[in-house]
Amino acid sequence: NAGVTQTPKFRVLKTGQSMTLLCAQDMNHEYMYWYRQDPGMGLRLIHYSVGEGTTAKGEVPDGYNVSRLKKQNFLLGLESAAPSQTSVYFCASSYSGQGARNLEAFFGQGTRLTVV
Amino acid sequence: ILNVEQSPQSLHVQEGDSTNFTCSFPSSNFYALHWYRWETAKSPEALFVMTLNGDEKKKGRISATLNTKEGYSYLYIKGSQPEDSATYLCANSGGYQKVTFGTGTKLQVIP
Repeated sequence: NAGVTQTPKFRVLKTGQSMTLLCAQDMNHEYMYWYRQDPGMGLRLIHYSVGEGTTAKGEVPDGYNVSRLKKQNFLLGLESAAPSQTSVYFCASSYSGQGARNLEAFFGQGTRLTVV
Repeated sequence: ILNVEQSPQSLHVQEGDSTNFTCSFPSSNFYALHWYRWETAKSPEALFVMTLNGDEKKKGRISATLNTKEGYSYLYIKGSQPEDSATYLCANSGGYQKVTFGTGTKLQVIP
């Protein structure tokens, strides 16, 4: 089972360049999330989606845009990359049903992004 | 407590020792408490999700308890093994989808 797949795994950008990170899940999950992980900061929620065609802002949304055109894909875009966006980005997905079990998030392997 | 706080930040134990960590979270607007295990160079994997005050969950040598009234959860590892070395993340679902993570407790088990 593929689970949650992120592409690319590594990327170096110059300041001002744009890029899109792709997250794909094959578990038919309704909910998908993008997090960034920085030293000493834990995982911080950037944007999330509760279903196809819907997105919402998380804790640190500035400088990022997202789209969920298909249920299985959640795209994270950086329109004009800044050094402050150097981070490791994790995508995750979860079920939408009731019950604690359905709240478990399944994570991708991460994308290490460096903006120079 | 406004955010999810974990203690200690890091921990070294000898193989065979038992250990525990703490996760503190806002007790208002609580929905669920998650524990994840995160090994180096891998992605976080769910250990437990708990929703009810007094919940206790167990998976092998690892167990967790939840007190939603006072806003804390404990994770216990009995007889630590080197393969238990990882960062253990706690997360609070305040709203149904908004999951707030702590900074983790990094455990190293020394053979």
